[in-house]
Amino acid sequence: ETGVTQSPTHLIKTRGQQVTLRCSSQSGHNTVSWYQQALGQGPQFIFQYYREEENGRGNFPPRFSGLQFPNYSSELNVNALELDDSALYLCASSFETDTQYFGPGTRLTVL
Amino acid sequence: AQSVTQLDSQVPVFEEAPVELRCNYSSSVSVYLFWYVQYPNQGLQLLLKYLSGSTLVESINGFEAEFNKSQTSFHLRKPSVHISDTAEYFCAVSGSGAAGNKLTFGGGTRVLVKP
Repeated sequence: ETGVTQSPTHLIKTRGQQVTLRCSSQSGHNTVSWYQQALGQGPQFIFQYYREEENGRGNFPPRFSGLQFPNYSSELNVNALELDDSALYLCASSFETDTQYFGPGTRLTVL
Repeated sequence: AQSVTQLDSQVPVFEEAPVELRCNYSSSVSVYLFWYVQYPNQGLQLLLKYLSGSTLVESINGFEAEFNKSQTSFHLRKPSVHISDTAEYFCAVSGSGAAGNKLTFGGGTRVLVKP
């Protein structure tokens, strides 16, 4: 059974740029959630995708957007990057509303 | 709305000593409760969860947590820690069943096991 994978592992961008992060869900899972973990803090929910549609969103601005594909993989896009967007971005997959399992994360640094 | 408070940001403990990590939550609906562990430069791993049934839940590596509804707590304990337990531990809550599984996390407790 393949676990949740994320790419890239690390990424460095400059302020104002755009970034795309990718997530492959665990085999058998159809729901993907994204979280932002700033340094020294707990993860915060960004949004969730189920059956290719957004299914709940946290307190993040519209420049954070996402997609889910027919194979249940997902992308997180962030436009107009700000310094405060520097964080570990975690993807979690689940079957429906069952327990979420996390990937290793993508560490984004915005300079 | 839900919230989670982890009362200790750091817990130093000697090897083979017991440890308790405190977690309190607030929610207006029934909840599921989780503990996740994060080793340095890694993602989150599920340690244990409470969904229903027995209020005492155990993990395969010796941790246990007890759901106390009246005190809205879900404290994590281990009777004897190892150096390898050095990590950050996050308590999290989600709605139950059809309420969805969006997780709300506490701020984390960093456990440093000393030899």
